[in-house]
Amino acid sequence: EDQVTQSPEALRLQEGESSSLNCSYTVSGLRGLFWYRQDPGKGPEFLFTLYSAGEEKEKERLKATLTKKESFLHITAPKPEDSATYLCAVQNYGQNFVFGPGTRLSVLP
Amino acid sequence: KAGVTQTPRYLIKTRGQQVTLSCSPISGHRSVSWYQQTPGQGLQFLFEYFSETQRNKGNFPGRFSGRQFSNSRSEMNVSTLELGDSALYLCASSSTTAYNEQFFGPGTRLTVL
Repeated sequence: EDQVTQSPEALRLQEGESSSLNCSYTVSGLRGLFWYRQDPGKGPEFLFTLYSAGEEKEKERLKATLTKKESFLHITAPKPEDSATYLCAVQNYGQNFVFGPGTRLSVLP
Repeated sequence: KAGVTQTPRYLIKTRGQQVTLSCSPISGHRSVSWYQQTPGQGLQFLFEYFSETQRNKGNFPGRFSGRQFSNSRSEMNVSTLELGDSALYLCASSSTTAYNEQFFGPGTRLTVL
């Protein structure tokens, strides 16, 4: 059974304090790994898709990387507006999506 | 361009009733997926529709059903509501297949009393 776990469950950072979020997965056949950001009361917002081990993608202060077993979302010099829940999801070759439980990030000014 | 819209935004029902939720995808998107989000289970995939056909289905009971119309708008129906059906129901659309990035709507918050 495909599974996604994320750690930590919650993370509090000071503004400017860089850190990384982890997404570990087991999947029968990885078609893609996705990162989303979700603000309270809103639907998830797409951030990145990674397709193969070794791939990296960047967007502003965020950088996502992928290995055969896990993905990291690196946040460099975060700002309070980066506070949100970050969700990781994998899609298998059956085209089903499996989401992780998310990491709640709080960035304090 | 306009994003994914979902109606209604909030809904309160009682056990045993049925409910229909609506989703209008981004213009030109033909794939619509539905998800249930709860604090305990997180985001769980319900089903995906593409060109009026259900292409994928998650592990939910048959009380959960959906359909897609020729204009790509989609509806989701839940019959014989149970307390455990209380959740945020999210709709997402994508331009070709569910393989590409999905754009989520704001969700419908369903409360079952």
